[in-house]
Order: sequence, then structure tokens, then C-alpha cells
Amino acid sequence: GQQVMQIPQYQHVQEGEDFTTYCNSSTTLSNIQWYKQRPGGHPVFLIQLVKSGEVKKQKRLTFQFGEAKKNSSLHITATQTTDVGTYFCAGRASGTYKYIFGTGTRLKVLA
Amino acid sequence: GAGVSQSPSNKVTEKGKDVELRCDPISGHTALYWYRQRLGQGLEFLIYFQGNSAPDKSGLPSDRFSAERTGESVSTLTIQRTQQEDSAVYLCASSKDSSRGYTFGSGTRLTVV
Repeated sequence: GQQVMQIPQYQHVQEGEDFTTYCNSSTTLSNIQWYKQRPGGHPVFLIQLVKSGEVKKQKRLTFQFGEAKKNSSLHITATQTTDVGTYFCAGRASGTYKYIFGTGTRLKVLA
Repeated sequence: GAGVSQSPSNKVTEKGKDVELRCDPISGHTALYWYRQRLGQGLEFLIYFQGNSAPDKSGLPSDRFSAERTGESVSTLTIQRTQQEDSAVYLCASSKDSSRGYTFGSGTRLTVV
């Protein structure tokens, strides 16, 4: 079945450093979504990417969808302590409505 | 309502007992998911409802798990004869237009003792 892996599993950075998490699917995706889960909270939707090679930005966050639509990345520039949390990608395979969540990357930002 | 509501927020039950978890999605949201999240882990897909279509139950881990949803309203997830490995946070999410992402509830934290 469809699997979505994320690397790294954990990342500790100093405040101000950049951070990137990578998402890889075993199957070609129709679209991909990104969510952020703060410690003790529930996932919150960040963005959706649909087109091959698409790049979207939200302030310090840059999201990219791979050309083959099997991978994606989230890059945070100059991390802040408010960026702490677990970032999940969620991919939907073509012909299905089901979103499969990635394994998540837990980010810690050291002040 | 303004958000996805789940109840109870916490449930402690004895091994072997049945539990029922409830999810009230946002009004008008046709799609509804149940996920399970063990401590420090990712989200494990359980079941997906889309309108009046047959649900996708492919993620249910065993026949002890079942879920129902009538139309576009409340959904219940039932776990029979609970086991300690069922301990987790059970999250419900709903959406009207998936391109805007899914809205998650705060979850039910289930502890089986």
C-alpha cells in the first residue's frame, strides 16, 4: 500500500538556523498537504500543493512539490522558537480521496 | 459548530471493556477521517467517510474496531474488548473542500489500564 516517509525524524536547531524536512511517497501523488502539530496539540493545516514542481511560500516557510509528484519539502528560514512542533506531510494518491500522513519531523528550536 | 468537537477528551477504561468515541464535524463537511496517534508517533489512518459513499475501512487494525457515520453528521468510533495497545489519542478530522485541508478535533486520549 501507499507509504509516506519523512526525514529527518527529529531535528534540533539553534534559533536563527534554517530547517528542512523531506517527504517521500512510494506512489505518485495527486496532491500533497502539510500540517503542523504543536506539542500537546492537534495537526493544523498549512498548505496544499497540486502542480508538478510547484513552490509556495508563507512568510519564512517554503513548500515545494517534486517534478515527479512523489516528494515534497518544507524549508523554514531563520527558525524561531514558535516554529517548534511536528511537521507532517499528507499525500493523496491519484484516484483516491484518502490522505496518508507521513511519519512526521519533530523540530526543536534552541534559544 | 465552529470547529470539530470530540468527546470525551479523556477516557480511562479497563482492559476488556468497550469504548465509544464521538466526533462532531463542522456543519457541511462531507469528508471525515479517524486517525490514531500513539505517543510521539505519526498519524495512523483508521477510516474515511465521504458523503453517502461506502466508507474506506482499510485502516481499521482489527475487527474490534468499527465506526459509523449517518450522512454528514456525527461519527462514532467503537473499540470492543479494549487492549493496552489501543491506548492512544484518537483524532477526528473533517473537510468540505479538501483543497483547504482538514480541520482536526482536539482528540480523545484513551488509556487502557
